[in-house]
Amino acid sequence: GNSVTQMEGPVTLSEEAFLTINCTYTATGYPSLFWYVQYPGEGLQLLLKATKADDKGSNKGFEATYRKETTSFHLEKGSVQVSDSAVYFCALSYGGSQGNLIFGKGTKLSVKP
Amino acid sequence: GAGVSQSPSNKVTEKGKDVELRCDPISGHTALYWYRQSLGQGLEFLIYFQGNSAPDKSGLPSDRFSAERTGGSVSTLTIQRTQQEDSAVYLCASSPLRGDEQFFGPGTRLTVL
Repeated sequence: GNSVTQMEGPVTLSEEAFLTINCTYTATGYPSLFWYVQYPGEGLQLLLKATKADDKGSNKGFEATYRKETTSFHLEKGSVQVSDSAVYFCALSYGGSQGNLIFGKGTKLSVKP
Repeated sequence: GAGVSQSPSNKVTEKGKDVELRCDPISGHTALYWYRQSLGQGLEFLIYFQGNSAPDKSGLPSDRFSAERTGGSVSTLTIQRTQQEDSAVYLCASSPLRGDEQFFGPGTRLTVL
């Protein structure tokens, strides 16, 4: 079946460090891929998305590229800030608003000043 | 504009009791989803409504779980004869007809004693 695997956390970084959170997926066909973020005490919100192979999603300095050949959608940021501390979820879905999201387990990121 | 709202924000109940959780989606959004977030299982899809179509119930974990959506807007998730393993945060999300971003509510934290 369809599934998403992302690196186990927690991840602890110093401010201005480079961030990579790995995400790979198993799916038939061509899903859309997403990164959602959950800040402490807040609800889930979309961080970025990509809907086809080789698309790059970007937002708030974060980037992820849809790699069909490696079935991956790794999240990267060149210089993290304390305010980036949150739980990050990789997810996939099919068909726009026609289908549910399948999430990875989530990766907790803590950024220290 | 108003986002997705859920009530109650917290619910504590005794094992064996029934509970109802409510979701008010963003006005005009045709798709509505319920998810469950628990420590052991991560984020799991429960049920999906799209317009007036029959709901996709494929994620409901048992027949104790049911949901309805009245008038294409408000939705209620009902859990009958609650068990301790039902303790989790129940999230509702909605999305527009022609869009793939899902907008999440703040969730209802359910604790079954």
